Amino acid sequence: ETGVTQTPRHLVMGMTNKKSLKCEQHLGHNAMYWYKQSAKKPLELMFVYNFKEQTENNSVPSRFSPECPNSSHLFLHLHTLQPEDSALYLCASSQDFMQGAANEQFFGPGTRLTVL
Amino acid sequence: QQQVKQSPQSLIVQKGGISIINCAYENTAFDYFPWYQQFPGKGPALLIAIRPDVSEKKEGRFTISFNKSAKQFSLHIMDSQPGDSATYFCAASKEAYGNKLVFGAGTILRVKS
Repeated sequence: ETGVTQTPRHLVMGMTNKKSLKCEQHLGHNAMYWYKQSAKKPLELMFVYNFKEQTENNSVPSRFSPECPNSSHLFLHLHTLQPEDSALYLCASSQDFMQGAANEQFFGPGTRLTVL
Repeated sequence: QQQVKQSPQSLIVQKGGISIINCAYENTAFDYFPWYQQFPGKGPALLIAIRPDVSEKKEGRFTISFNKSAKQFSLHIMDSQPGDSATYFCAASKEAYGNKLVFGAGTILRVKS
């Protein structure tokens, strides 16, 4: 595997379900990100982890719970979601968050989430 | 002030033509302006980026023009090809404040052959 991988690629869940999204980066990076991508809207940064520590939480509802057990893996735990949470969830990684924008963010292909 | 406004929302260009996508920002502290390209089923990928110390940057058929006084920047795709059909996102950030990109809403480009 190379780059940034995400599983599953598609997920359909009911509002009472609990599910998790997984992201893995094979680039040796230290920063990982979760974004939400909705149609015709800008990518929304949700969470940032730098060296396994959460550095950004953009006022994301508590029904989204991130976990970063090591620099290569990032999870997004989902529970009691709403239909408006249906979107493409993208994971990204970069060398280091605090080194500034000079280091490129590499994105995974995303998980298409549908909440019924 | 954190927004980046992108236009047009969608664009159809004939093969060989020039595709132009525009972005405007308000926050004068932004000092890094990348463009990302996203194909269906894929995540965005960095295409080209510019910093405000230059007014233009060219990489192959892709050029960023930057107007600091107008707080605008644009992507020009010369000799557009059907393989350029994708969604393009502009973004901006303040390098001193980490790798926190603010994205535009995206432009869906279709190049007709």
